Amino acid sequence: EAQVTQNPRYLITVTGKKLTVTCSQNMNHEYMSWYRQDPGLGLRQIYYSMNVEVTDKGDVPEGYKVSRKEKRNFPLILESPSPNQTSLYFCASSSGLGLNTEAFFGQGTRLTVV
Amino acid sequence: SQKIEQNSEALNIQEGKTATLTCNYTNYSPAYLQWYRQDPGRGPVFLLLIRENEKEKRKERLKVTFDTTLKQSLFHITASQPADSATYLCALDRDDKIIFGKGTRLHILP
Repeated sequence: EAQVTQNPRYLITVTGKKLTVTCSQNMNHEYMSWYRQDPGLGLRQIYYSMNVEVTDKGDVPEGYKVSRKEKRNFPLILESPSPNQTSLYFCASSSGLGLNTEAFFGQGTRLTVV
Repeated sequence: SQKIEQNSEALNIQEGKTATLTCNYTNYSPAYLQWYRQDPGRGPVFLLLIRENEKEKRKERLKVTFDTTLKQSLFHITASQPADSATYLCALDRDDKIIFGKGTRLHILP
């Protein structure tokens, strides 16, 4: 079954404690991205990757890091989380850049930073 | 810069009627525009893609139109059902990035 898998689904952490949210896809997609979703602000892109070792900033990259060492994995790293990073996070993948192909989204990670 | 506006935060429609949702953009016409459905706490699910040179696209009870003159896409659900209640997002590309509208919460009333 084609899917994007994120872990964990729920996470509560304290300010400043480094964390990683994993994302893996089994569709051999080249394009992967991370979004955060906040009430009233919608989905906003954090980072995206067009292929292995190629990453670029989205609209809200501050406070986040990503890496793309393998095609299937695209972890999101928060080196020093702060309460304003409390949000619902989604990873997505697609076979092409842009909107000429559909994006597949993970089930989401709800992060709370206290 | 390119912005997307979806017409309303929430829309209530009686079961069996046609629901029409609007997506407006501000600048250049995108090459593609997509619509997604999102249920509470879940990831968006792709519904339809329409290209710049297509006026209309259909899939079962769903229809999308794309008017580059008005800079607008309309998303229709005919014979609406309570199970169609969800948030619907439109998305378009901007400078190699994909941007989403804030969505319209659709409630189909039985």
